[in-house]
Amino acid sequence: GAGVSQSPSNKVTEKGKDVELRCDPISGHTALYWYRQSLGQGLEFLIYFQGNSAPDKSGLPSDRFSAERTGGSVSTLTIQRTQQEDSAVYLCASSLEWAGGFSSSYEQYFGPGTRLTVT
Amino acid sequence: ELKVEQNPLFLSMQEGKNYTIYCNYSTTSDRLYWYRQDPGKSLESLFVLLSNGAVKQEGRLMASLDTKARLSTLHITAAVHDLSATYFCAVTGTMEYGNKLVFGAGTILRVKS
Repeated sequence: GAGVSQSPSNKVTEKGKDVELRCDPISGHTALYWYRQSLGQGLEFLIYFQGNSAPDKSGLPSDRFSAERTGGSVSTLTIQRTQQEDSAVYLCASSLEWAGGFSSSYEQYFGPGTRLTVT
Repeated sequence: ELKVEQNPLFLSMQEGKNYTIYCNYSTTSDRLYWYRQDPGKSLESLFVLLSNGAVKQEGRLMASLDTKARLSTLHITAAVHDLSATYFCAVTGTMEYGNKLVFGAGTILRVKS
């Protein structure tokens, strides 16, 4: 596609429910990132994928959060047993970079985000 | 730990005036990015600065990078209302694990007519 797409754009869920957020990166981009934007914490990194593997999961806030990427393309971020503090905008970004290689900018292109509200 | 500080956090300007947003970061980094975010929208890339002394300009915005001082500036010339948005700087961490971005808190810019 022309850009990074995310779905759903908005999600309202009850506390304790599980949610899945989807990211479709730019075609050919090998790197995929998840970030979270909230009023209290600003923009923070969650997880990084290179291809289908996730060498950096250091930003996941708890074991309720997990993510996978299949076929080197679509990624799903899953939050189990949602809590009110999980309410935020979840942003996905993709980048044309590869392990061990060099890209002039490693510029990350962001999707429109998913606004998650936990009631 | 890589930390990024922006100032000011809020900036109210009159149209036609000039101002500078500052971005300081705590450890060595080779890449610095500036993004713009409009309310309810995602992040739009403005500039990528890759080396010491790099300067880039687009319209009324000019960004520069001093890696020795660990400082980047975003200069606004003759502000217009359309520049009203939130501006973020971001720096990459180590190369070992990709290029995750560490963001500043953002500068909310309001340009008054």
